[in-house]
Amino acid sequence: DQQVKQNSPSLSVQEGRISILNCDYTNSMFDYFLWYKKYPAEGPTFLISISSIKDKNEDGRFTVFLNKSAKHLSLHIVPSQPGDSAVYFCAASADNAGNNRKLIWGLGTSLAVNP
Amino acid sequence: NAGVMQNPRHLVRRRGQEARLRCSPMKGHSHVYWYRQLPEEGLKFMVYLQKENIIDESGMPKERFSAEFPKEGPSILRIQQVVRGDSAAYFCASSPGQIQETQYFGPGTRLLVL
Repeated sequence: DQQVKQNSPSLSVQEGRISILNCDYTNSMFDYFLWYKKYPAEGPTFLISISSIKDKNEDGRFTVFLNKSAKHLSLHIVPSQPGDSAVYFCAASADNAGNNRKLIWGLGTSLAVNP
Repeated sequence: NAGVMQNPRHLVRRRGQEARLRCSPMKGHSHVYWYRQLPEEGLKFMVYLQKENIIDESGMPKERFSAEFPKEGPSILRIQQVVRGDSAAYFCASSPGQIQETQYFGPGTRLLVL
């Protein structure tokens, strides 16, 4: 049962345009969401996060939007650059009993930014 | 400030051997998480440890897998009697605490079982 879903396995965008990566979740207890970027043969790199008390968080070219009623979040990258080409993972966590916060991951979306 | 260190980066084992994967968290981080990524799949949580304690091992296979995070030294993920299905990338992450703390990942250990 996939609690965090990234329904688009891949996305191709032209350099300079906006990249929008989507993520849906099913567990209403999730209250913290993160986006990671992963290059081949490397570990995931933290990009940006958002708490459920917010609906938007912005950091430079990266903005994450959270729609709690729809259980949906998205990552916007604008303008997209060729160096953004990577696999993007959405992850979520909940405050479980004993405050154990393991991350639940989506399967990733492979973004290709074309020059 | 060094990031999360994992070694070895690549490990080749024959079926039935033992694999030991090491993870040194970032300085000041006392929480360690192990994840496994099988080919063509996302990351799957395995175990969450604090110093000398296993907090959550719900993602660990019931047999052959064990993890520790001693008071001194790195965290160790041990796989005994490896099988071909254990071939995967194993990632370690650390955080200073765990209340909405971002986890920072190491480069991973790629295990290949022949």
